[in-house]
Amino acid sequence: RKEVEQDPGPFNVPEGATVAFNCTYSNSASQSFFWYRQDCRKEPKLLMSVYSSGNEDGRFTAQLNRASQYISLLIRDSKLSDSATYLCVVVSGNTGKLIFGQGTTLQVKP
Amino acid sequence: DTGVSQNPRHKITKRGQNVTFRCDPISEHNRLYWYRQTLGQGPEFLTYFQNEAQLEKSRLLSDRFSAERPKGSFSTLEIQRTEQGDSAMYLCASSFNPRDSTFNEQFFGPGTRLTVL
Repeated sequence: RKEVEQDPGPFNVPEGATVAFNCTYSNSASQSFFWYRQDCRKEPKLLMSVYSSGNEDGRFTAQLNRASQYISLLIRDSKLSDSATYLCVVVSGNTGKLIFGQGTTLQVKP
Repeated sequence: DTGVSQNPRHKITKRGQNVTFRCDPISEHNRLYWYRQTLGQGPEFLTYFQNEAQLEKSRLLSDRFSAERPKGSFSTLEIQRTEQGDSAMYLCASSFNPRDSTFNEQFFGPGTRLTVL
């Protein structure tokens, strides 16, 4: 079983739609969680951190459920520019190394 | 440009050849990470340095792979006797971690895309 699992999609949605991505992780001792965004043939970039209390940044909301070892990302009012791959990330141990999920591909269409 | 830089951006080589990639982290970032990403997958951790010390290596890093960060600044990743399965994007990332912190944001370079024929 992979340490971080995501549905690879693709998710094809119209502009203005609300879309949600989910991710599960296997290491219950994990402490830090993030969503990264990766555009086609580009490097990953940090989108936002994920906390149990929830984290909202504009149209983006991230949530952590420690009991279920489940992480989510909600995008409201989707824009064409949101088209990308969204990577669920768990930080491993004290080294800071990132454990990435497979990524979920989002395509927003006009 | 003060971000992470990687060279070359693309490398095509024949099976059995050796290749070396370079990563220049953000100035004064003490941690440097190497990841590998294949098509349709997320990046996978290979190794990391705290200053010049290589503190962890993934089981993915076979004996053909070696990484160095001799002066705690730039790093090189060498692959000897390349195989077709080594074809991937090799990503470098750096971060600044004070002694009492476990995580600060990692900034990624643009990657080196390796194709082994």
